Amino acid sequence: NAGVTQTPKFRVLKTGQSMTLLCAQDMNHEYMYWYRQDPGMGLRLIHYSVGEGTTAKGEVPDGYNVSRLKKQNFLLGLESAAPSQTSVYFCASSLSRTSGSYYNEQFFGPGTRLTVL
Amino acid sequence: AQSVTQPDIHITVSEGASLELRCNYSYGATPYLFWYVQSPGQGLQLLLKYFSGDTLVQGIKGFEAEFKRSQSSFNLRKPSVHWSDAAEYFCASRGGTYKYIFGTGTRLKVLA
Repeated sequence: NAGVTQTPKFRVLKTGQSMTLLCAQDMNHEYMYWYRQDPGMGLRLIHYSVGEGTTAKGEVPDGYNVSRLKKQNFLLGLESAAPSQTSVYFCASSLSRTSGSYYNEQFFGPGTRLTVL
Repeated sequence: AQSVTQPDIHITVSEGASLELRCNYSYGATPYLFWYVQSPGQGLQLLLKYFSGDTLVQGIKGFEAEFKRSQSSFNLRKPSVHWSDAAEYFCASRGGTYKYIFGTGTRLKVLA
């Protein structure tokens, strides 16, 4: 199993450009998440999904959109990138509560380092 | 609101010395607690987790953590630190059905 993979690993954008980050997992997890990591701020949840076709806002959703058309994929879009979106983005996945174990941990991808100039 | 606090932003220890990283949580019900490690340029890897039962849990890489309800703490320990343990460590709890709450992390530096 590859676990959680993210594409691309690095990207540099100019202000106003758009891009999509792809997250894929092969563990049949119901829940998927997008976080951003900034120095001294830990991980902040951008959006999450509890199943195919459903998404919800996290604590810092502004400027981002997401889609989950397939269970194994979770896409994060930036429609008009801003320098404040320079960050490292992590995707994660986990089993749902109904999968039997409420205490399941999250599995993380390797991250995408995004720089917006 | 539920929160996870890691009071130490940076910790430096000598190789071979013992290590304790602090984590405090605030949650009314039984918490589900995790410790993750992040090596430079990598994603987060689970070290250990606690959900019930024995309050001392063993993890990978020789780490252990002790859950203390009276102190609302879940501190991570290792008896003898190796240079390869230099990384950032995150404490987290499961905050409700879907979400996880992370601390801001503790960066560990190991002196040779």
